[in-house]
Amino acid sequence: KAGVTQTPRYLIKTRGQQVTLSCSPISGHRSVSWYQQTPGQGLQFLFEYFSETQRNKGNFPGRFSGRQFSNSRSEMNVSTLELGDSALYLCASSGQGGNSPLHFGNGTRLTVT
Amino acid sequence: GENVEQHPSTLSVQEGDSAVIKCTYSDSASNYFPWYKQELGKGPQLIIDIRSNVGEKKDQRIAVTLNKTAKHFSLHITETQPEDSAVYFCAATTPRNFGNEKLTFGTGTRLTIIP
Repeated sequence: KAGVTQTPRYLIKTRGQQVTLSCSPISGHRSVSWYQQTPGQGLQFLFEYFSETQRNKGNFPGRFSGRQFSNSRSEMNVSTLELGDSALYLCASSGQGGNSPLHFGNGTRLTVT
Repeated sequence: GENVEQHPSTLSVQEGDSAVIKCTYSDSASNYFPWYKQELGKGPQLIIDIRSNVGEKKDQRIAVTLNKTAKHFSLHITETQPEDSAVYFCAATTPRNFGNEKLTFGTGTRLTIIP
C-alpha cells in the first residue's frame, strides 16, 4: 500500500506570493490533517478534513486555507507569504480521523525569501 | 487547550543501554497518546500508541507507560541500537465531538545512540 504522498518536496517563494501544496492520502483513508513544523514552534496543527469538510481548525491566520476533494486528496494554500511561513508542512491521513493513528507524509519544505 | 511537555530535549545513550523519554499533559480528558519517530528528511512515523484504559503497552524493544492520575506517560527503549537515533515526539488527543480530535505534540527529544 502506498504511503502518504506530498508534492512538491521543496518550494522557494518570495514574500507576498501564494503557494499551494498537495497531499494524496493512503488509499481508503478519508481524513487528512495538515501540520506545520518549525524548529521554534515544533509541530502545530493547521486543520483537518474529512469527506471534503473541514472538521477541525488550529490557531493559524486566515491566510492558511485548505480543501479536500471527493477522492480524499487535499490541498493547502498559503496566501501573502511571510518570512515566518518558512517551515516543513506535513500532511497526515487516517482512516476515520479522531483517535485513528495518523500516517504522515515526508512533507513539503517551504522557504520564503 | 491541551498542553504537552516533553523531556529531555536531547538524550545521548550508549548503544545497548536503555533510553527513557517523559511527557506530561494538562487535560485530564485526553485519552489517546501516540509516540512518533522522525528521521532526517522524513515525516514522523508512528512507533507505538496507548489509550487511556491501558497502563502499559509493549512492542519488542519499545514500551510506553501511562499514569492518568499524574497525567504523564513515558517511552522506554531497551537495548538501543544506532538506528534508534532520531527525534521522538509524544502527543496527546483531547476528545470533543466525534471526529473533532486533534493531536497536540510535545517539543521533541533528539536521541543519539553512541556506538
